[in-house]
Amino acid sequence: SQQGEEDPQALSIQEGENATMNCSYKTSINNLQWYRQNSGRGLVHLILIRSNEREKHSGRLRVTLDTSKKSSSLLITASRAADTASYFCATVPILTGGGNKLTFGTGTQLKVEL
Amino acid sequence: AAGVIQSPRHLIKEKRETATLKCYPIPRHDTVYWYQQGPGQDPQFLISFYEKMQSDKGSIPDRFSAQQFSDYHSELNMSSLELGDSALYFCASSDDERGSLYNEQFFGPGTRLTVL
Repeated sequence: SQQGEEDPQALSIQEGENATMNCSYKTSINNLQWYRQNSGRGLVHLILIRSNEREKHSGRLRVTLDTSKKSSSLLITASRAADTASYFCATVPILTGGGNKLTFGTGTQLKVEL
Repeated sequence: AAGVIQSPRHLIKEKRETATLKCYPIPRHDTVYWYQQGPGQDPQFLISFYEKMQSDKGSIPDRFSAQQFSDYHSELNMSSLELGDSALYFCASSDDERGSLYNEQFFGPGTRLTVL
C-alpha cells in the first residue's frame, strides 16, 4: 500500500508561475524527502525536512511539513521549462528496529510551458 | 563529486533467464538500498544493506537475492525472470551513521530491465 499520496497528479503551468505540490502520508515519520525525476531517468534528491522542522528553503524550493496533518508541500517559485519533471515525496517512517528505507508517494507530473 | 554507479544501464532478457545488476555506492557510504520502479509507478523498496549485512527487506520476490561485498558494492541477482519484472531498478547509497535517521539517499541512474 502507498504511504504517500500526492496532489495533484498532474500540473501544467506557464514559465514564471509558482508550482505547488502536496503530499500526504499515513504513519509517523522521521523525515520527509522530495525527489525529482525526469522522464524515465534517475531520481534527484531535492530537499530533506526532519519531523521536528516546519519549513525549509533551498534556492527556489520551499518545503513545509505539518506532522499533525501528516502532510507536506513543495513550492517551486518562478518555474522554468527545465523544472518539467515528476516530483515524488518519500518518507522514512518511524518503525521498530529503525531503518531508513524510503516509502514513495505516487508523484506529481509537472509541466512548465514557455 | 562521485555519484552512485549502476551497471548495466540497460538490460534485455528473455523469460526464465537470470540477470545480475551491480551498484557501486558513493565512496565512504556504508548503506545500499535497492528500489524497483515499474512503468508509471512510484519506486518500491526491495532490500537494503548496512555494513555488508542485510538491514531491511521490502517487497522483494523470493526469486531475487542480493548482497553487499567487502568493497561495499552490491549486486541484485534475479532469476526465473518474468514479464512483470520489467522495470527501472535503482540503487541508492547513504552514509548511515548508527542511530542517525536523517541521512539523504543518493540515487544512481538506474538499470532499465526489459524482459521479453
